[in-house]
This record gives sequence, C-alpha cells and structure tokens, in this order.
Amino acid sequence: RKEVEQDPGPFNVPEGATVAFNCTYSNSASQSFFWYRQDCRKEPKLLMSVYSSGNEDGRFTAQLNRASQYISLLIRDSKLSDSATYLCVVRPGRGGADGLTFGKGTHLIIQP
Amino acid sequence: EAQVTQNPRYLITVTGKKLTVTCSQNMNHEYMSWYRQDPGLGLRQIYYSMNVEVTDKGDVPEGYKVSRKEKRNFPLILESPSPNQTSLYFCASSLYRGRGEAFFGQGTRLTVV
Repeated sequence: RKEVEQDPGPFNVPEGATVAFNCTYSNSASQSFFWYRQDCRKEPKLLMSVYSSGNEDGRFTAQLNRASQYISLLIRDSKLSDSATYLCVVRPGRGGADGLTFGKGTHLIIQP
Repeated sequence: EAQVTQNPRYLITVTGKKLTVTCSQNMNHEYMSWYRQDPGLGLRQIYYSMNVEVTDKGDVPEGYKVSRKEKRNFPLILESPSPNQTSLYFCASSLYRGRGEAFFGQGTRLTVV
C-alpha cells in the first residue's frame, strides 16, 4: 500500500461548485497532516494544516479521520484561481526519516 | 522577506559534467531537504539535514551529494549527472525536523543530455 494515496484526477468542476477530495495514508503513527497547493511547475505552498477536530479557512475545510486514516479537503464556491494540484502531506511520528511524505497530488481544473 | 532561494532555475547540462544547485534560506531554519519531482511519481526526498554538519539520505539519494557547512546553505551536488536525473528539484526548509510548515524554493529544472 502506498504511504499517501490520492486520486490524481483531473477533476473538472464548474466555477461556483463545491468540490471535495480525499487522501488516505498508511502509517497509523502519523502525527501531522497538511494540504499543500502547487501551481503548474511551481513550488508547493502550504494551504492549510489539518487538525483532529477539523478546521476551516474561508472557503476551505479540512478534516481528518484517524480511525479510517484519511484526510479530506472541501472547497466551496470554487474560483478559477483554485485551479491547481493539491498535495496531501503527512508527517510521521518520531523516528520517521523525515518530516514529510507527499501524495502525488490531485489535479483540479475550475471551468468558467 | 522570508524565503528559500535556489539557483539556477533552469539548467541544461551534459552527462558526466559535475554541477551544483545552490539553496539558501533566510529564516534561520535548522531543517533543510532536497526533493525531486517527476511526472507520476510525485515529490521524493533526496537528502535532508537536521542542522550544520548533520546530513542523511532520503528515499532516492543515489547519484547525489549534499553538504551543510552553514545553517543557511544546503547545496545539492551531482558529481556525474546522468539522463535519469533530469527532473524538477526543490529545496525546502522548516524550523525543526518534524515541526512546522515546510517552505519551498522556486525549483530548478534540470535537463541532462
């Protein structure tokens, strides 16, 4: 099983729609969870951290389900500028070789 | 402005010609790492450094070297580049290993012919 798994898409969504995608992780000892956004061939940038209680930042909502080992990202009222690749990122617990394990990303295209 | 700076942004080189990609951060971060990104494979870690003079292998270290002589700099060295090292490379830093947001450089697109 891959460490962090995402549906690569692409997801083609009309502007204004709500879109959600999930990510699953295999390491049950993982401690921290993030969504990063990457525009075409540019560097990844932190979109939001994901907390156990779930968290919201404007139109974006992230949730964590530790029992099922998945993370979700919900985007409401999508904008053209939301078109990007969204990377699910997991940080293992102590003893992990590094801080971050990346999913391969989900490609989102918002259409006018 | 807090940032991670990589140079060069684009590089085309020939097989076997040694090259160095520089990475510098101005945030006094202890932890720095190098990733390569390839279509269908995502971001994979090459090497990381927890502090000055402390470096270790990531998932794909073969064919690469690094050094960390100063806290701010973490160059990536390809002693004898090969075509399979053609990729998009990112340097990243974070305050400490296992904590905090990772900040990425703008990337270096390397082509080895």
